[in-house]
Amino acid sequence: AQTVTQSQPEMSVQEAETVTLSCTYDTSESDYYLFWYKQPPSRQMILVIRQEAYKQQNATENRFSVNFQKAAKSFSLKISDSQLGDAAMYFCAFGIYNFNKFYFGSGTKLNVKP
Amino acid sequence: NAGVTQTPKFQVLKTGQSMTLQCAQDMNHNSMYWYRQDPGMGLRLIYYSASEGTTDKGEVPNGYNVSRLNKREFSLRLESAAPSQTSVYFCASSVDRGALRNEQFFGPGTRLTVL
Repeated sequence: AQTVTQSQPEMSVQEAETVTLSCTYDTSESDYYLFWYKQPPSRQMILVIRQEAYKQQNATENRFSVNFQKAAKSFSLKISDSQLGDAAMYFCAFGIYNFNKFYFGSGTKLNVKP
Repeated sequence: NAGVTQTPKFQVLKTGQSMTLQCAQDMNHNSMYWYRQDPGMGLRLIYYSASEGTTDKGEVPNGYNVSRLNKREFSLRLESAAPSQTSVYFCASSVDRGALRNEQFFGPGTRLTVL
């Protein structure tokens, strides 16, 4: 069975500071992808960043970066220079390459304080 | 491009009623998905369609049926709604089954309440 665990239901960060959201997953698959999605109050799901499991290099997208530890099955998201617009629910997700199935964590609500 | 569209945005049903949630995408994607989102549980996959003409069960398919009407449209049907099906439903699409990037694009969601 595949599982995704986000152990932090809610976090807060001061504007302009850095925050890290945690995610762990469990799978026996060797070929998979990891994603972080952002869901603002509008409910729209927005892809933040993706990581291919076969790549050792951590993905980065502007202020967003990940720390991918394959052996530990850990995939954390770091947000640098936090902005008020970063406030949202963040979901970690895991996709299996050949079976087109996705598994989502329960989400972390990020609050950004001015 | 509208991306992924869903109708309706909100719906209230009585127990035992039936309804169909509609989803369409204009990105020429092969794969489409239906998820439900419940508080504290993230998104769970109900059904998916890897390509036109095929559908497969996801994690929580009981009580639902789907139809991949054509490449653009993927509908979700509740034959006899139950209060346990109160949730927010998301449709999504991706380029292809097993595509290297496999990013999913989501619709705006349908909030369904079953009384």
